[in-house]
Amino acid sequence: QVTLKESGPVLVKPTETLTLTCTVSGFSLSNARMGVSWLRQPPGEALEWLAHIFSNDEKTYTTSLKSRLTISRDTSKSQVVLTMTDVDPVDTATYYCARVYNTLAFDSWGQGTLVTVSS
Amino acid sequence: DIVMTQSPLSLSVTPGQPASISCKSSQSLLQSDGKTYFYWYLQKPGQSPQLLIYEVSSRFSGVPDRFSGSGSGTDFTLKISRVEAEDVGVYYCMQGMHLFSFGPGTKVDIK
Repeated sequence: QVTLKESGPVLVKPTETLTLTCTVSGFSLSNARMGVSWLRQPPGEALEWLAHIFSNDEKTYTTSLKSRLTISRDTSKSQVVLTMTDVDPVDTATYYCARVYNTLAFDSWGQGTLVTVSS
Repeated sequence: DIVMTQSPLSLSVTPGQPASISCKSSQSLLQSDGKTYFYWYLQKPGQSPQLLIYEVSSRFSGVPDRFSGSGSGTDFTLKISRVEAEDVGVYYCMQGMHLFSFGPGTKVDIK
């Protein structure tokens, strides 16, 4: 059974760095054609894709936030980590990780974790 | 970047009646490999999104056959043949041709 679970701080102060961890099970991060993305959804708003890491460790980022995001993985721990620098209250959102398998984009999602940016 | 738009943004449907949602992309989603990387998701209230349709018209595992997807190039449609109460939520279209981007969502509720 494929599962993804997000973890990280509930509250972050403006200008701080946010670090989120996605722990996966039921598949290997190093399997060919497998990848994991981070996405977010501000309260009451639409989904926004943030970053993706492929099985070969290639990374892609959304253009608007590229300078603030870093995605990485630890295959031995089955974890994908997203860091976002210099957070602002507009970064308040539920953050999701989701799997991409071959051409099946986001076929499995985590439950999401709500992060609030506030002083 | 590819911009996705959806219409309508909200839809109220009588159970048993059909429903249709349109999605347009700012550029063609047909990839050089012949595939079109276009998807539909449903986010039910209080839940994570779930994949409904991939590559324009293929239903994901477990998705009822009352859901169907069609389209090509830049214009796509999701149809629900007979809406049921469990179909309420927000429907998102998404492209995977260049990075990923979502439409604004269409909120579907029951009359």
